[in-house]
Amino acid sequence: AQKITQTQPGMFVQEKEAVTLDCTYDTSDPSYGLFWYKQPSSGEMIFLIYQGSYDQQNATEGRYSLNFQKARKSANLVISASQLGDSAMYFCAMRRRETSYDKVIFGPGTSLSVIP
Amino acid sequence: DTEVTQTPKHLVMGMTNKKSLKCEQHMGHRAMYWYKQKAKKPPELMFVYSYEKLSINESVPSRFSPECPNSSLLNLHLHALQPEDSALYLCASSQDYTQYFGPGTRLTVL
Repeated sequence: AQKITQTQPGMFVQEKEAVTLDCTYDTSDPSYGLFWYKQPSSGEMIFLIYQGSYDQQNATEGRYSLNFQKARKSANLVISASQLGDSAMYFCAMRRRETSYDKVIFGPGTSLSVIP
Repeated sequence: DTEVTQTPKHLVMGMTNKKSLKCEQHMGHRAMYWYKQKAKKPPELMFVYSYEKLSINESVPSRFSPECPNSSLLNLHLHALQPEDSALYLCASSQDYTQYFGPGTRLTVL
């Protein structure tokens, strides 16, 4: 069975500092994908970054980078130069491709608070 | 454009009411999803429509009834809900690997 673990229920970071949010996963599928989503208090789930299991390089999107260590089954999110607007819940998620759609499993989430 | 829209943003209903949630996307995505999210929890998958056909029903009670009238529109019909059904209901769509979410409908059942 697939499972996502996020061991940090809550994190604090000083504004302009970098922060790493941890994510480990378990799957027996050879092909899978890993996501990070941000959910502010308004409720919308915002897609941040994606890493495919066969991608050789770590994904980056602006201030977000995904530290993918396949052998350790980890996919940590690194946010550089934190901003006050980064305060939100962050979910790590894994996709499994079905015939014509994706089934996505979410981790329990990490609440990030950026301190001025 | 990666926009998924949902209406209404907020909904308060009694246990005897019938209401509907609406989701729309114009990205040409062929898969659409309904999720339920309780406070401080991750989203839980309810239904998946693929090419306008119901592909997954994750053992959701029959008081929730999904409908996909066309490839851009997804509805969730609500009837005789319970207070524990109060939650954020999120719609998403996907074509390749990324699911794009709408802003959600906050539902309160009195």
